[in-house]
Amino acid sequence: GQSLEQPSEVTAVEGAIVQINCTYQTSGFYGLSWYQQHDGGAPTFLSYNALDGLEETGRFSSFLSRSDSYGYLLLQELQMKDSASYFCAVVDAGNMLTFGGGTRLMVKP
Amino acid sequence: EAQVTQNPRYLITVTGKKLTVTCSQNMNHEYMSWYRQDPGLGLRQIYYSMNVEVTDKGDVPEGYKVSRKEKRNFPLILESPSPNQTSLYFCASRSGTAYNSPLHFGNGTRLTVT
Repeated sequence: GQSLEQPSEVTAVEGAIVQINCTYQTSGFYGLSWYQQHDGGAPTFLSYNALDGLEETGRFSSFLSRSDSYGYLLLQELQMKDSASYFCAVVDAGNMLTFGGGTRLMVKP
Repeated sequence: EAQVTQNPRYLITVTGKKLTVTCSQNMNHEYMSWYRQDPGLGLRQIYYSMNVEVTDKGDVPEGYKVSRKEKRNFPLILESPSPNQTSLYFCASRSGTAYNSPLHFGNGTRLTVT
């Protein structure tokens, strides 16, 4: 089976940088995805890492270390609109996704 | 517009009264799935389907049924709803072939069972 751990809540100020960590235990790991969900909304895809290293998409970056079973989402130049929940999800050999419990990010002025 | 459409958005029902939540996607995706979301528990998979006429149990299938008679539709059926099925439900779809293909979610159905 799969299990993922991420912090339940993170608080940061506008303009700062925040890192949301995700550790996982899985059989047949293929990749790590990140999703964003605003209150009352549907989750939306942010990124996918299959190989070790950092993937950058604008203000958001995602990192993966397969040997450490660890990844993180890095949000730079935080804006109020980044206040949301962020979920990591493992993609396994069967192309299935298993989600972590989510990290609620609160951005303060 | 590429989208996943689920209905209804809100549903209040009583214990034991059968209900169906519909889900339809217009992206010709092979893979479709149902999740329930409860506070602190993230998104837990109920059932998924890799293609027409192929369905499999996810992590929390008890009390639910699904069917996949057509590629675009994947309804979720609660034959005899109970209060512990009160939750926020999401339908999602993705291309079944690429590991990096993103899940596209519907807008959710908030179900209350009294």
